[in-house]
Amino acid sequence: QITLKESGPTLVKPTQTLTLTCTFSGFSVSTNGVAVGWIRQPPGKALEWLALIYWNDDKRYSPSLKSRLTITKDTSKNQVVLIMTNMDPVDTATYYCAHGYSDYDSFFDFWGQGTLVTVSS
Amino acid sequence: DIQMTQSPSSLSASVGDRVTITCRASQGISNSLAWYQQKPGEAPKFLLYAASRLESGVPSRFSGSGSGTDFTLTISSLQPEDFATYYCQQYYSVPLTFGGGTKVEIK
Repeated sequence: QITLKESGPTLVKPTQTLTLTCTFSGFSVSTNGVAVGWIRQPPGKALEWLALIYWNDDKRYSPSLKSRLTITKDTSKNQVVLIMTNMDPVDTATYYCAHGYSDYDSFFDFWGQGTLVTVSS
Repeated sequence: DIQMTQSPSSLSASVGDRVTITCRASQGISNSLAWYQQKPGEAPKFLLYAASRLESGVPSRFSGSGSGTDFTLTISSLQPEDFATYYCQQYYSVPLTFGGGTKVEIK
């Protein structure tokens, strides 16, 4: 059974750096074909894909946020970390991590519960 | 980037109604389309992939169709637990993109 859970600060100040951790079970991010992604959702708005990391450490980022994002994985801890720099109030959103179906078909079949991050001074 | 446009943005329907939601891609994406259901306060739930393949455990009243740029999600007989917001997502190319969502409300 695949489960994922996001953790990190609920409140960050503008210009600060956000670090979110996705801790998962039921799969290994080192297994051929596995991918883990991050998606966010501002309150009352649509889903927005942020980043994806593959089993072979290949990474993909949203072009509009690429300069601010870093995604990494820790295979031994079953974790994927997302770092977002220079946070702004418009980045206030629920952040989800999700299991990618495969490295070829990048849709998300299992999702974490999400964590709400508020950016405010 | 491939833009995904859903219509309508919201609809009102009654239990037992047949409901159809449309998703249009700004360029051809073959059948690389997934659908999700999201209820208030919950994470999205994966429903279908490859435009028409139902995820295991998803009720058969849900179906998907389409290829290229035009896709539909159909609920053949709306049930009380189906009132939610539905999102499409293309995975033909990065950046992955979602539609704006369709909220299905009780009439």
